Amino acid sequence: SQQGEEDPQALSIQEGENATMNCSYKTSINNLQWYRQNSGRGLVHLILIRSNEREKHSGRLRVTLDTSKKSSSLLITASRAADTASYFCATAPGNQFYFGTGTSLTVIP
Amino acid sequence: DVKVTQSSRYLVKRTGEKVFLECVQDMDHENMFWYRQDPGLGLRLIYFSYDVKMKEKGDIPEGYSVSREKKERFSLILESASTNQTSMYLCASSSPVTGGQETQYFGPGTRLLVL
Repeated sequence: SQQGEEDPQALSIQEGENATMNCSYKTSINNLQWYRQNSGRGLVHLILIRSNEREKHSGRLRVTLDTSKKSSSLLITASRAADTASYFCATAPGNQFYFGTGTSLTVIP
Repeated sequence: DVKVTQSSRYLVKRTGEKVFLECVQDMDHENMFWYRQDPGLGLRLIYFSYDVKMKEKGDIPEGYSVSREKKERFSLILESASTNQTSMYLCASSSPVTGGQETQYFGPGTRLLVL
């Protein structure tokens, strides 16, 4: 399987703290994307990082990509209760997307 | 605002029934996808389509078929529902971009229970 793996599977933090989750993948990629899923809902795209980029920012999100280690990390700074959700990385080595199993983030108010 | 809609949020069916899950997108996207999501297994691709009347098998097509008669609509069909098809079904669409960097837009999901 070309599926990515997120780590940790679950994360619980206090509001205001930073949350870091990691993604490892298996094959060469064109880009890597992070998605968010609120409980019982569809996924929403958060951020895309290209294979020739090392870091990208969007608001309180910071994504890094290390293609030599086939890994990426998503940092959410100053977390809020509304950030409680599952977060997935997705890779697209070709035309097809492969999603990881997700990190479940709980932000405690 | 982009929109992907799915015909039902919750569905309860009996074993052996034929089940239709409908997905409609209003973004004129060429690509459409059906996934199922199960705890601990993440999202797994069932079928996808790059054009009208075109379909490709994903990782787990067994027990499913699809139909894409119009660009905006992609249907997932369970010919004879079984209990192991109880799952969350997610539809997505995207538009191809040079370099394969398109974003997928997801519907809200259909939670199917097969009794």
